[in-house]
Amino acid sequence: DVKVTQSSRYLVKRTGEKVFLECVQDMDHENMFWYRQDPGLGLRLIYFSYDVKMKEKGDIPEGYSVSREKKERFSLILESASTNQTSMYLCASSFLLRDSGGYTFGSGTRLTVV
Amino acid sequence: QKEVEQNSGPLSVPEGAIASLNCTYSDRGSQSFFWYRQYSGKSPELIMFIYSNGDKEDGRFTAQLNKASQYVSLLIRDSQPSDSATYLCAVSRNTDKLIFGTGTRLQVFP
Repeated sequence: DVKVTQSSRYLVKRTGEKVFLECVQDMDHENMFWYRQDPGLGLRLIYFSYDVKMKEKGDIPEGYSVSREKKERFSLILESASTNQTSMYLCASSFLLRDSGGYTFGSGTRLTVV
Repeated sequence: QKEVEQNSGPLSVPEGAIASLNCTYSDRGSQSFFWYRQYSGKSPELIMFIYSNGDKEDGRFTAQLNKASQYVSLLIRDSQPSDSATYLCAVSRNTDKLIFGTGTRLQVFP
């Protein structure tokens, strides 16, 4: 089974802190994604990456950055955490969608910014 | 207009009945369609995907796609209380990005 591991299940951070969310997948997937999920808004794409050192902005990249130094690892960085970044963060990975049948998600990180 | 629309529900069905979940999308260039199930507090898990018009069956689940009407649905036969969850529809063009609907909450009561 494909496994996508997010380093923390729950995090509480203070406003202004720099926050790192880590995601590791073990199936040699090229594609990796970061979403946030909020009630009533669904899943919104923050950033994605098709290859090492490659990144592209999603729909809501403001206040976030990413890093992909190795194929299996995709990190989401909150440069200066704010309370409106309190959310569930979901990492996902995939091969080309048409061949693989979609994403595999990590278990999520629930981030609270106080 | 949202790119992928779903009724938020809740959709309540009795145990053993057929649950019908619907999704419409706005981009006529969409090529791939997915249904995910998400239990409360958990991450989404893939149930089915469909690429061609018509029906695709997998056990108790049937996905239906009508590209002309820009409509995709998921039928769950013999619904069980364990099927109670939020069901997310997701759509993709020829890229690898998925656009998600906000989900329909399904409640199956005994």
